[in-house]
Amino acid sequence: KNQVEQSPQSLIILEGKNCTLQCNYTVSPFSNLRWYKQDTGRGPVSLTIMTFSENTKSNGRYTATLDADTKQSSLHITASQLSDSASYICVVSNQAGTALIFGKGTTLSVSS
Amino acid sequence: NAGVTQTPKFQVLKTGQSMTLQCAQDMNHEYMSWYRQDPGMGLRLIHYSVGAGITDQGEVPNGYNVSRSTTEDFPLRLLSAAPSQTSVYFCASMGGGYGYTFGSGTRLTVV
Repeated sequence: KNQVEQSPQSLIILEGKNCTLQCNYTVSPFSNLRWYKQDTGRGPVSLTIMTFSENTKSNGRYTATLDADTKQSSLHITASQLSDSASYICVVSNQAGTALIFGKGTTLSVSS
Repeated sequence: NAGVTQTPKFQVLKTGQSMTLQCAQDMNHEYMSWYRQDPGMGLRLIHYSVGAGITDQGEVPNGYNVSRSTTEDFPLRLLSAAPSQTSVYFCASMGGGYGYTFGSGTRLTVV
C-alpha cells in the first residue's frame, strides 16, 4: 500500500534554533517528492519539489534531502522564525505528478 | 494573477441540503482537483480533472459530483449533505513542472 509517514507528529522549538522533519514513504513507482507548508486556515504552499535524481534542494532557510534508495526525505529548517510555525506536509507522487499521496504533516511551533 | 480562488470560505449546511463549492483558476492549468482535509489525516483526493470535459474519481468520491465545462472552473457539488462531510475542502490546480497551487480552502460544517 502506498503510504507516506511523517515524524514527529508535532514539534516545539525556540526561535533561532534549527530543526529537521522526517518523511518515509512506501510509494512505488516513485516520481517526485514535495514538501509543503500550511499555515493555519490557509492552503498548502509548495516549498520544494525533488525528482528521483535529486538528493537535495534548498529554498531559503528550508533544505530538503531525498534518499530514493531508503525512501526517506527530510526537511531541515535553519535559524527558525516565529513565522515558521505551521504544518509541514510531505507529498509523494507515484505517477507524472497527478497522483499524490499526502503525509499527515508535522506541526511545528516556534516560540520566542 | 489570483491563482486558485475558492468560494465560499465558510459554510454551514443542514443535513440533506445541497450546495456547490466553487473553484476557479486563472493560470490556464489543465489539471484541477478537489481534496478534503480532516483532523489527523492527510489530504484525500475527492475528484480530479485533466481538462475541460474530463473528470474522474479520486480516493473518496461518494456524495460528491464534479463537472468541468471550462478550463478555468471546477465546481464541487454536494448532493445531500451529511455530517460526515464536515471538513475543510481544498481545490488545487497543476501546471508544468509538477507544481501544485492550492486555494485557501472552504470550511464546511454539516449539522
